[in-house]
Amino acid sequence: EAGVAQSPRYKIIEKRQSVAFWCNPISGHATLYWYQQILGQGPKLLIQFQNNGVVDDSQLPKDRFSAERLKGVDSTLKIQPAKLEDSAVYLCASRDSGRANTEAFFGQGTRLTVV
Amino acid sequence: AQTVTQSQPEMSVQEAETVTLSCTYDTSESNYYLFWYKQPPSRQMILVIRQEAYKQQNATENRFSVNFQKAAKSFSLKISDSQLGDTAMYFCAFMKKSGSRLTFGEGTQLTVNP
Repeated sequence: EAGVAQSPRYKIIEKRQSVAFWCNPISGHATLYWYQQILGQGPKLLIQFQNNGVVDDSQLPKDRFSAERLKGVDSTLKIQPAKLEDSAVYLCASRDSGRANTEAFFGQGTRLTVV
Repeated sequence: AQTVTQSQPEMSVQEAETVTLSCTYDTSESNYYLFWYKQPPSRQMILVIRQEAYKQQNATENRFSVNFQKAAKSFSLKISDSQLGDTAMYFCAFMKKSGSRLTFGEGTQLTVNP
């Protein structure tokens, strides 16, 4: 079974530029999460999708961050414009919500550096 | 809202010895899941062990076991016969049974010394 795929692995941009991250979840997983992990901290949820609908985006800075999940499969997370404090690892995870006790599977993340 | 607290930012252990990582959480839910995830330098989060709150028996997975104290809202991870490959960041996480977000603690960096 293929895992969660994310790209790119690394990205360096200047502040005020825009950036986009892509995630391909495990086939059949209806739930998709985007997490932000600042160095030395635990991951914090940005947004949760169930199929192509948003379940929880309460911690998403909506003035600069946006995410979509077209057709309930792949997802993109965009930051525009980026700030220095957005430097972090962005983790995508998916989960088979049809089974009550399943864990979330994570991708390898995208390390973003804003200079 | 749920919170997860890991009070040990760093721990170290000698190879082949046993180490326990602590985790406490706060919730008003009665039905939920608890997880320990491992994050090596590659950044890939890997599930170590999970516990369902309604099960009284502590979960075990080979060298990994938990001590789940529901009344105390405590969920510690014990690693027996520590191996060099266990060196990683370990995160405790909480999820309501309804399958909402995973809430993570701040992590414990475990170093296994030869």
